[in-house]
Amino acid sequence: AQTVTQSQPEMSVQEAETVTLSCTYDTSESDYYLFWYKQPPSRQMILVIRQEAYKQQNATENRFSVNFQKAAKSFSLKISDSQLGDAAMYFCAYRSRNSGYALNFGKGTSLLVTP
Amino acid sequence: GAGVSQSPSNKVTEKGKDVELRCDPISGHTALYWYRQRLGQGLEFLIYFQGNSAPDKSGLPSDRFSAERTGESVSTLTIQRTQQEDSAVYLCASSAQVGAGTGELFFGEGSRLTVL
Repeated sequence: AQTVTQSQPEMSVQEAETVTLSCTYDTSESDYYLFWYKQPPSRQMILVIRQEAYKQQNATENRFSVNFQKAAKSFSLKISDSQLGDAAMYFCAYRSRNSGYALNFGKGTSLLVTP
Repeated sequence: GAGVSQSPSNKVTEKGKDVELRCDPISGHTALYWYRQRLGQGLEFLIYFQGNSAPDKSGLPSDRFSAERTGESVSTLTIQRTQQEDSAVYLCASSAQVGAGTGELFFGEGSRLTVL
């Protein structure tokens, strides 16, 4: 089974600054999806950004971007110009395209944004 | 509906009672997933339904847990003889057919279960 590791249980960033959340994964597959989900206190899991493994270009969504290093099996999330509303739990997730279609999640990183 | 709907939002029960949690997926989504999230933890996969195929039950923690889904509609997760360690938020998600769309899972707001 594929495992996803988030080595930072908690991170803190000042408003307007940039923060990077780390994620590594273990897989023998070559074709898969990677995701970052945000979970605010409301419990609703919200997709932040996705990356398809066959794409070399790093995905970006406004202030959110990823650094996808396929050979290193690394998928970090960069949040630029952090806002108070970015405070939440962030989960990295892996999904195979070929076998076993559930998302495998990391344990999450709690992001605190200070004024 | 527009999103994944779950009910009840909160459920408090006594140890030993049975509970049913309901999930109404996004219309047209063929895949449905149940996850469990204990306090301060990540998401633990429980079960996956894809159309009329046999469900993937590999994540169910014990035979007290079961789930049903009729066709591509509502799913019910049942926990029999609840234990205190079953206390958690149970999240449901749906997605388009495997191989189609973006691979994204869309989540409901979850059902918080508290077993006293």
